[in-house]
Amino acid sequence: NAGVTQTPKFRILKIGQSMTLQCTQDMNHNYMYWYRQDPGMGLKLIYYSVGAGITDKGEVPNGYNVSRSTTEDFPLRLELAAPSQTSVYFCASSYSISGSSGNTIYFGEGSWLTVV
Amino acid sequence: GENVEQHPSTLSVQEGDSAVIKCTYSDSASNYFPWYKQELGKRPQLIIDIRSNVGEKKDQRIAVTLNKTAKHFSLHITETQPEDSAVYFCAAYTGANSKLTFGKGITLSVRP
Repeated sequence: NAGVTQTPKFRILKIGQSMTLQCTQDMNHNYMYWYRQDPGMGLKLIYYSVGAGITDKGEVPNGYNVSRSTTEDFPLRLELAAPSQTSVYFCASSYSISGSSGNTIYFGEGSWLTVV
Repeated sequence: GENVEQHPSTLSVQEGDSAVIKCTYSDSASNYFPWYKQELGKRPQLIIDIRSNVGEKKDQRIAVTLNKTAKHFSLHITETQPEDSAVYFCAAYTGANSKLTFGKGITLSVRP
């Protein structure tokens, strides 16, 4: 299994441009997530999905959009990129997320995005 | 919503000493508490977790303790080694919103 794969690994965007971060997982996980990580600020949840066709906002959804047409894929779209979106983005997945089963969240390798 | 805080923000220990990293959470309904380790430039990876019906869990040199009354949980690393140097994130899960809330992370440095 490749686990969680996200592309691209590095990208420089100009202000106002749009782009899509791709994420795919081959573990047949129901739950998928997008986090952003800013220096010293931990991991902030952007959007998450509990299954194909279902998405919901996290803590910091403004400026982003997601879709979940298949179990495997969960792309993150940035519209009209702004310097505040310069960050490291992590896609992640889990079979479920439950206090009783405690399933592990698996992270992708991260995408370094700079908006200039 | 849930708020998770970590103390201290940085920690430096001598190789061989023990390190303790503490987290507090705000939502008494939280019932699952994982710890993630992130090496420089790498992805976060789960190292240990604990559920609310357990007070302590050990895995070789690492252990996690949970105090539900005080709403805090701690990561204990014994016999620290240079490869333990990393950022450690704690998190708390609340069933009401079905997602984890992460702390800001603590940078642990182990001096050889």
